[in-house]
Amino acid sequence: KQEVTQIPAALSVPEGENLVLNCSFTDSAIYNLQWFRQDPGKGLTSLLLIQSSQREQTSGRLNASLDKSSGRSTLYIAASQPGDSATYLCAVFTSNTGKLIFGQGTTLQVKP
Amino acid sequence: EAQVTQNPRYLITVTGKKLTVTCSQNMNHEYMSWYRQDPGLGLRQIYYSMNVEVTDKGDVPEGYKVSRKEKRNFPLILESPSPNQTSLYFCASSLRGRRGGYNEQFFGPGTRLTVL
Repeated sequence: KQEVTQIPAALSVPEGENLVLNCSFTDSAIYNLQWFRQDPGKGLTSLLLIQSSQREQTSGRLNASLDKSSGRSTLYIAASQPGDSATYLCAVFTSNTGKLIFGQGTTLQVKP
Repeated sequence: EAQVTQNPRYLITVTGKKLTVTCSQNMNHEYMSWYRQDPGLGLRQIYYSMNVEVTDKGDVPEGYKVSRKEKRNFPLILESPSPNQTSLYFCASSLRGRRGGYNEQFFGPGTRLTVL
């Protein structure tokens, strides 16, 4: 059974720092991995999608990498800002079941 | 505008009173799914559908039903709601890739359900 883990569960950093969020999964049979952002009480905003054949994707200050063989993905946020404060979720789309499995998320606080 | 819509956005009901939460997408996506989000448990998939008339159980299907009679709609039915189904529910859809697999998941705004 696919399991997705995100470490750390919470992170507090001063504004301007570069930071890395981690996501690991147990089964490498995936179609893709997607990173989302969720603000308190709100819906999910898609940040980056990495297909299983890709190694990384970039959007603005965000860069996500995927190492399927080791079951790991990282989300790199450059020059963090208070507006980046939110919960970040990763989800893997499993290719042998068609299910989307989420990690528990990392709650990020960026202090001014 | 390309979007996933859910109705209602908020619902308070009583135990045992059947209800339906609707989900509709206007992007011609093959894949649709339902999730519930609970504190400490994260997002868990309830049911998913890879195309019309094809549905499969997710990780927490007990107490829920779905149907996929049209490509754009994927309603979630609670035949006899119970308090443990109080949760935040999300619907999502995605397009099948040209080489198989699936593309980006688009999520609806969520439905907050309270069962008394």
